[in-house]
Amino acid sequence: AQSVTQLGSHVSVSEGALVLLRCNYSSSVPPYLFWYVQYPNQGLQLLLKYTSAATLVKGINGFEAEFKKSETSFHLTKPSAHLSNAAEYFCAVTIENAGNMLTFGGGTRLMVKP
Amino acid sequence: EPEVTQTPSHQVTQMGQEVILRCVPISNHLYFYWYRQILGQKVEFLVSFYNNEISEKSEIFDDQFSVERPDGSNFTLKIRSTKLEDSAMYFCASSIKASNTGELFFGEGSRLTVL
Repeated sequence: AQSVTQLGSHVSVSEGALVLLRCNYSSSVPPYLFWYVQYPNQGLQLLLKYTSAATLVKGINGFEAEFKKSETSFHLTKPSAHLSNAAEYFCAVTIENAGNMLTFGGGTRLMVKP
Repeated sequence: EPEVTQTPSHQVTQMGQEVILRCVPISNHLYFYWYRQILGQKVEFLVSFYNNEISEKSEIFDDQFSVERPDGSNFTLKIRSTKLEDSAMYFCASSIKASNTGELFFGEGSRLTVL
């Protein structure tokens, strides 16, 4: 079975600062990895995905994530935080032929200070 | 922009009562899902549905749960006899295909409170 651990349930950064949200996964077979974002009172929205192509993945709103097999990590970064980036971020994993049966991490709430 | 809509946004029920949560997936999507998140815990997969059949289900999805697509637009989750531990946010999602793209489109969720 796969699992995801997100280090830090809450992360606070200043506007303009680097955003780094950590995600480590466990999978006995090659994983497919995703980051979802949830704004208040909204559903989860796909931010970016890794599906065995390029290890550095770019997503919407200037976010990117790098798949590092040696570290079993898929950390999410953004060079400069914006107030509108305040949200909850979820890392998720699945494997081939599992359809869209995602296993989610616990989520990280990102707060951006003016 | 097309979106998945869920009703009700919040439902309070007594333990033992039946609850039906409703979802309208995006119109050209073929695969439908229910996930749930108990307060303070992870988002968990419940069930996937395609071509009027359950494709996959988790251990959580026991005999108390059922899903149905009663017409061409709605996708419902029924909990036959609710328990306190069923209190959670339930998310419906849909996708065009079942590949591992992870491109699920989620609704805003239905919060179920069982008293």
